[in-house]
Amino acid sequence: QQPVQSPQAVILREGEDAVINCSSSKALYSVHWYRQKHGEAPVFLMILLKGGEQKGHEKISASFNEKKQQSSLYLTASQLSYSGTYFCGTEDSGGYQKVTFGTGTKLQVIP
Amino acid sequence: NAGVTQTPKFRVLKTGQSMTLLCAQDMNHEYMYWYRQDPGMGLRLIHYSVGEGTTAKGEVPDGYNVSRLKKQNFLLGLESAAPSQTSVYFCASRTWGGQPQHFGDGTRLSIL
Repeated sequence: QQPVQSPQAVILREGEDAVINCSSSKALYSVHWYRQKHGEAPVFLMILLKGGEQKGHEKISASFNEKKQQSSLYLTASQLSYSGTYFCGTEDSGGYQKVTFGTGTKLQVIP
Repeated sequence: NAGVTQTPKFRVLKTGQSMTLLCAQDMNHEYMYWYRQDPGMGLRLIHYSVGEGTTAKGEVPDGYNVSRLKKQNFLLGLESAAPSQTSVYFCASRTWGGQPQHFGDGTRLSIL
C-alpha cells in the first residue's frame, strides 16, 4: 500500500517555507525522500533510518516519527531550484527489500 | 561512471507486440527495481530483484516478466503489449536495504 503524501501541490514565493508530509499504515524501517524535475529521473535527497531522526541537506531537512509512522520534509527559504515533485518512499519493518513510493507533492517556487 | 543505464529511451509499439527493456548498472549493486510512472500515480513497483537469479513481484506485476541472469542486468519484458502499459518506466538499483536508490533516466513507452 502506497504511503500518503500531503499536500498534493503547493505554490511558494521565493524565500517562503514549506512542509511536505508522508504517512504510512505500516510500521516503517526507513523513509526516503526524492525530488524529480519534469522529464528527469528522481534524485535522492535523504534517508531516515531511526525513529525521531532528523537529517539535513542544504536548506532541506526531514524528520521521522517512527511511532506515528510519519515523516515530514521541511524546505526553508525556498529557491527557484526547489521546484519539482517530491516523493517519499518507505521500507516496511517486515521486509526492507522494496521501497514503496507515495503519489508525490508538486512544488512550484515562483519569483 | 555510467551508473544506471536504460535501453531504449523511447519506443512506440503496436498492441500485441512484445519487447524487452534493459537496465544495466555498473555499481555492483545487489538490489534492482522496475517502476512505472503514470500521471498522478507516483512510482509504482512492478518487479524487483535482491540478487542474481532472484526476482519478486511488486505492486503491479501483471502483464510483465523479468529476469536477472547477470548481477549487473535486470530485464523487463512485455509479452503482449496493451495500451494500458503506456507509461514511463524507471529502473533503479542500490546496494541493499536501507540504502538510497539510484535511478536510470527512464524509458518512454507508447503502445498504440
